[in-house]
Amino acid sequence: QSALTQPPSASGSPGQSVTISCTGTSSDVGGYNFVSWYQQHPGKVLKLMIYEVTKRPSGVPDRFSGSKSGNTAYLTVSGLQAEDEADYYCSSYTAIDYVFGTGTKVTV
Amino acid sequence: QVQLQESGPGLVKPSETLSLTCAVSGYSISSGYYWSWVRQPPGKGLQWIGTINHSRDIYSTPSLKSRVTVSVDTSKNQFSLKLSSVTAADTAVYFCARYTSSGFYFDSWGQGTLVTVSS
Repeated sequence: QSALTQPPSASGSPGQSVTISCTGTSSDVGGYNFVSWYQQHPGKVLKLMIYEVTKRPSGVPDRFSGSKSGNTAYLTVSGLQAEDEADYYCSSYTAIDYVFGTGTKVTV
Repeated sequence: QVQLQESGPGLVKPSETLSLTCAVSGYSISSGYYWSWVRQPPGKGLQWIGTINHSRDIYSTPSLKSRVTVSVDTSKNQFSLKLSSVTAADTAVYFCARYTSSGFYFDSWGQGTLVTVSS
């Protein structure tokens, strides 16, 4: 199973919005509503930001939102803050595997 | 709040078996959820390795399936990974994580441990 495709980098100024795409196929992103997003700060524990495409775990700011259209999922960070600077990975369930995205470095 | 901590050798020789353990605190493994291993080669993205549930059903990524063993020790509240016949390509940071099977996502992660395969 190939990795999901994400842009290597994205950036925005404080207060702006940034949207990260995550492109797969009808066998993963397009076939199931089981896309999740993870935040990784250097040396820190990975953190779940979005699950089941649009749901936010308790404690995740509502500045983070998820959506999906066809075989592509999106993570939008509104009102960017310095602490949002990190790597972000999408992931998707498939019938026989579990795949992650290539990762996007967000710079604020 | 559940916490996970990986442990094991940081250096493994080629062709040998990599062995890691994940100690879980704040939650009883036997109570439910699934328990997983994920790795990240230096400078690269994440790769799911395998998952075990409290019933000891095991799932693993097809590309590693023949080399992966995942087990659980409920008496010690920990689970383990064995990866056989390692090569330099298996050099990575290895993470353990708790997996929610109803929504197919990892809700808690360990800090990760770097394993280098080298003679």
